[in-house]
Amino acid sequence: DAKTTQPPSMDCAEGRAANLPCNHSTISGNEYVYWYRQIHSQGPQYIIHGLKNNETNEMASLIITEDRKSSTLILPHATLRDTAVYYCIVRNNQAGTALIFGKGTTLSVSS
Amino acid sequence: GAVVSQHPSWVICKSGTSVKIECRSLDFQATTMFWYRQFPKQSLMLMATSNEGSKATYEQGVEKDKFLINHASLTLSTLTVTSAHPEDSSFYICSAHAAGAGTDTQYFGPGTRLTVL
Repeated sequence: DAKTTQPPSMDCAEGRAANLPCNHSTISGNEYVYWYRQIHSQGPQYIIHGLKNNETNEMASLIITEDRKSSTLILPHATLRDTAVYYCIVRNNQAGTALIFGKGTTLSVSS
Repeated sequence: GAVVSQHPSWVICKSGTSVKIECRSLDFQATTMFWYRQFPKQSLMLMATSNEGSKATYEQGVEKDKFLINHASLTLSTLTVTSAHPEDSSFYICSAHAAGAGTDTQYFGPGTRLTVL
């Protein structure tokens, strides 16, 4: 699977949008972009995923560049409970393929 | 939907004893489950892939005789840490891949914190 690069940490004010970037310049055509987050001492939580089109759900929006070499996760109105480590992972959709975690971005939301 | 549970949530044991951790998919069938461990201030490391009814596939450097994995049904996988030692103290997390789902999403359990004295 392709490797991703994320900034180690980011800060965001409560109520503002949090934009978390991810670089995946070696992504293959059949690989999806997945985002998970891990709140301290809990299991990772699925957020969103996409192939090439932008995606939105109740938690976040995912913007993927046209060349698919990078993406941005957007939390439109960050709250204190969004403080977590956010992982961007690229992975093909073959059944039985594990998610391989990098170091992620630690997002700190403050009031 | 898509809930994965783990039991126990935490366990403390003496060195040399064995500990079993259960991972259950509560509202879906999981053909494949994965086991990860996470040391403090580090990311999740994949230990093994478990397929229902067959032997688990272990990642390089993970001792299969020490970390026994059984995936006897489509809703249950177990990880047994045999002859545990203090260096095995870690946060163990399982995940499950939903069988027949339109999109291949993995759902994670809440984790089990193992402390070996």
